[in-house]
Amino acid sequence: DAKTTQPTSMDCAEGRAANLPCNHSTISGNEYVYWYRQIHSQGPQYIIHGLKNNETNEMASLIITEDRKSSTLILPHATLRDTAVYYCIVRAYNTNAGKSTFGDGTTLTVKP
Amino acid sequence: DAGITQSPRYKITETGRQVTLMCHQTWSHSYMFWYRQDLGHGLRLIYYSAAADITDKGEVPDGYVVSRSKTENFPLTLESATRSQTSVYFCASNMGEAGTEAFFGQGTRLTVV
Repeated sequence: DAKTTQPTSMDCAEGRAANLPCNHSTISGNEYVYWYRQIHSQGPQYIIHGLKNNETNEMASLIITEDRKSSTLILPHATLRDTAVYYCIVRAYNTNAGKSTFGDGTTLTVKP
Repeated sequence: DAGITQSPRYKITETGRQVTLMCHQTWSHSYMFWYRQDLGHGLRLIYYSAAADITDKGEVPDGYVVSRSKTENFPLTLESATRSQTSVYFCASNMGEAGTEAFFGQGTRLTVV
């Protein structure tokens, strides 16, 4: 699996958009970008994934650059409950999700 | 209860003692996983199992033993606990099909003194 690089920490004001960047310059053509978050040391929670097109679901949006070397997770209206560690992971679609390689992630703090 | 449960939630043990962490899932998932998470870091895979009686090493297997005699249970044993094994341990499970996610337990916080 390709290695990812994320900032250690970020702050965001409540109600504003949180934009979390991730670099994955060695991503392979068959690898997807996945985002997870971990709240209060609970188990990781899946958020969203994508291959090359931008994706949106009820939780977030994922923007992947055209060269696929980086991506941004967007939480459009951050709330205090979005305070968590966010992990960007790259893996092939047919690789079992349980074998994901979690780096240290980005600690997002949403402030009132 | 339905889902994936870990026990105990908290455990303090002494160096050199054997300790077993339990993981039970009710979904009949074929795959089960054990991870450790050290303070301030991401999860690292210790062992995983593709089915009953089939186990394989992950990234950090040294010092740990697993077994899977029944599909629903996947215990993790520290045969002789060391302080470096102080960590939060997560269990997870899934069917292993492409595109499906893994479901995580609530974690076991283990302290070795």
